[in-house]
Amino acid sequence: AQSVSQHNHHVILSEAASLELGCNYSYGGTVNLFWYVQYPGQHLQLLLKYFSGDPLVKGIKGFEAEFIKSKFSFNLRKPSVQWSDTAEYFCAPLPNSGYSTLTFGKGTMLLVSP
Amino acid sequence: DTAVSQTPKYLVTQMGNDKSIKCEQNLGHDTMYWYKQDSKKFLKIMFSYNNKELIINETVPNRFSPKSPDKAHLNLHINSLELGDSAVYFCASSQVGRPGIDEQFFGPGTRLTVL
Repeated sequence: AQSVSQHNHHVILSEAASLELGCNYSYGGTVNLFWYVQYPGQHLQLLLKYFSGDPLVKGIKGFEAEFIKSKFSFNLRKPSVQWSDTAEYFCAPLPNSGYSTLTFGKGTMLLVSP
Repeated sequence: DTAVSQTPKYLVTQMGNDKSIKCEQNLGHDTMYWYKQDSKKFLKIMFSYNNKELIINETVPNRFSPKSPDKAHLNLHINSLELGDSAVYFCASSQVGRPGIDEQFFGPGTRLTVL
C-alpha cells in the first residue's frame, strides 16, 4: 500500500515570500503524482500533476512541483505567494495500476498575510 | 455544466437518524468515489465504484452503504448516524484505466453535522 507524508501542517508567509511544501511518498511501483488545493469553503481542485516526462511540472497560478524519484519526493513550489494562495494543499500519489485510488497527505494549511 | 455535483451541500441531523447524500457526474467517467474529510482536514477514501460495481471499501462501518444506480450516480446512505460521522463528504470521479487521464474531479462536498 502507498503512503504519503507532508512535512508541514501549517505554514505562514508574507506576500511575495517564496514557498516550498514538502511531500514524500512510499510505493514500490510507478506512481502518478498530484497536488490538490482547497480554498476556504471550497472543494478540492487540481493544482498540477505529474505522469511522466519532465520531472518539473508547472500548474495553475504560478505553482510548480519537482518529482525526484530517488528521494520519493514531489515538492510544491511558488516563487512569490499572494494573499489569494491562502488554502489547504494536499499531495496525493496515485499508483499507475488498474483500480487504484488517491492517497492524500494530511494537508498543509498555508496562510499568506498581506 | 457542473462536472461533479452533490446534494445537499449542508446536512444537519440528529443522532440515530438515517440520511442520504447524492452524487452525480456528467463527465462520462467509469469510476466514482466517496471521501470523508474530518475536522482536522484529513481526507480519506471510503468507497470506489467502477461501472456500478464496488471495487474499494476502506474499512467503513456497515452503517454506510453506497448505491450506484448507474455509472453517473453514486449515492451514500448512512444509517443510525453517530456524532463521529460529522465531517465533509466529497464525491469524485475519474476515468480509470486510461493512462494520463486518472485525474479525479471532486464535487463541492457535503458538510454533515450530527447533533
